[in-house]
Amino acid sequence: GAVVSQHPSRVICKSGTSVKIECRSLDFQATTMFWYRQFPKQSLMLMATSNEGSKATYEQGVEKDKFLINHASLTLSTLTVASAHPEDSSFYICSATWTGGTAYEQYFGPGTRLTVT
Amino acid sequence: QKEVEQDPGPLSVPEGAIVSLNCTYSNSAFQYFMWYRQYSRKGPELLMYTYSSGNKEDGRFTAQVDKSSKYISLFIRDSQPSDSATYLCAMKGNQGGKLIFGQGTELSVKP
Repeated sequence: GAVVSQHPSRVICKSGTSVKIECRSLDFQATTMFWYRQFPKQSLMLMATSNEGSKATYEQGVEKDKFLINHASLTLSTLTVASAHPEDSSFYICSATWTGGTAYEQYFGPGTRLTVT
Repeated sequence: QKEVEQDPGPLSVPEGAIVSLNCTYSNSAFQYFMWYRQYSRKGPELLMYTYSSGNKEDGRFTAQVDKSSKYISLFIRDSQPSDSATYLCAMKGNQGGKLIFGQGTELSVKP
């Protein structure tokens, strides 16, 4: 099956620093990647959708200058949390789809737990 | 009103029980209905997928969609401790649309 990896799996940083999270599709070319945020015992909230080679589309209320998304290749998307603050602490999950897949085929990464102290 | 409503639980059942998980939704344009299983501190994995109305069975899992009532269900037969996880329903309106998730139901199956 299609595999999506994320790195790092866990990161702890000080307030004010920037953190980069990588999302990779390991065995398929991901034409579209999604970034989600999940708070404890809550659902996944879509932050942004990115297509390879174009600017990401952000959901309402998501600051694009704070959550920088780059989808530079068909296998890699990165999310950079700029000047992170404690309220940015959360579980960040990426997912990916490919043009050959069907409507339901969205493959999720294992997630990255960000803790900002 | 949220587009997708799901009882967060927690739901605790004995091993071997039949589990019923449900979601309601308000957007009649939803056509694709999915159930994901998420273990603690992991990403969601797709369990079942249904297009439009109807039932779908896969082993111990059965997914049902009733579009007239805007109600979907996931049944787990002969539940096992390894089924303990959070179950998220998700749906979308068209192939290119974004997935809308329910809050997730936390299930615990006791041996």
